[in-house]
Amino acid sequence: ILNVEQSPQSLHVQEGDSTNFTCSFPSSNFYALHWYRWETAKSPEALFVMTLNGDEKKKGRISATLNTKEGYSYLYIKGSQPEDSATYLCAFYLLYGGATNKLIFGTGTLLAVQP
Amino acid sequence: DSGVTQTPKHLITATGQRVTLRCSPRSGDLSVYWYQQSLDQGLQFLIQYYNGEERAKGNILERFSAQQFPDLHSELNLSSLELGDSALYFCASSVNTQGGEQYFGPGTRLTVT
Repeated sequence: ILNVEQSPQSLHVQEGDSTNFTCSFPSSNFYALHWYRWETAKSPEALFVMTLNGDEKKKGRISATLNTKEGYSYLYIKGSQPEDSATYLCAFYLLYGGATNKLIFGTGTLLAVQP
Repeated sequence: DSGVTQTPKHLITATGQRVTLRCSPRSGDLSVYWYQQSLDQGLQFLIQYYNGEERAKGNILERFSAQQFPDLHSELNLSSLELGDSALYFCASSVNTQGGEQYFGPGTRLTVT
């Protein structure tokens, strides 16, 4: 069974705090690692797609790193704002070939930023 | 707005019934994916179509089927519905099948009573 694990499950921080979450995934058959942001009552929205070991991506105050050899990715949010409150999902794109390629999602980290 | 549309937004039906969920992908996207999100579970991949052909299958029950039409819209058919099928069903689309980012629709909330 291939699992994508995210920690922590939930996080409550104060406005202005910086925070980070972890995504662990199998290191074999790796093709890509996705991060999505999912606000309540909306649909998941892509933040990053990372494919190379050592990749670092940045979008505003949010950045992510990737280590495919040890099977983990970190998502960082600098100076959290209330509008950052959401569930952050990571997903591992499994490459077997043909009909078995698929995106396996973790259960997410729920971030609540208090003003 | 991701550009992916799903109808209906909400659906309430009884056990044993059959329903069809519809998805239109973003303009230019050839791949369509269906996901199920049940209470206390993460997004579960059901099935993927690319340019009309089935490309990948996940944990899709035999009572469920899908297809992608020549205009690239897709339908997910759920039959012999059970209470446990109550969930949020998302459709997503992407340009190709090479593991790139997926654009999610607003979802269809199915309630089976």
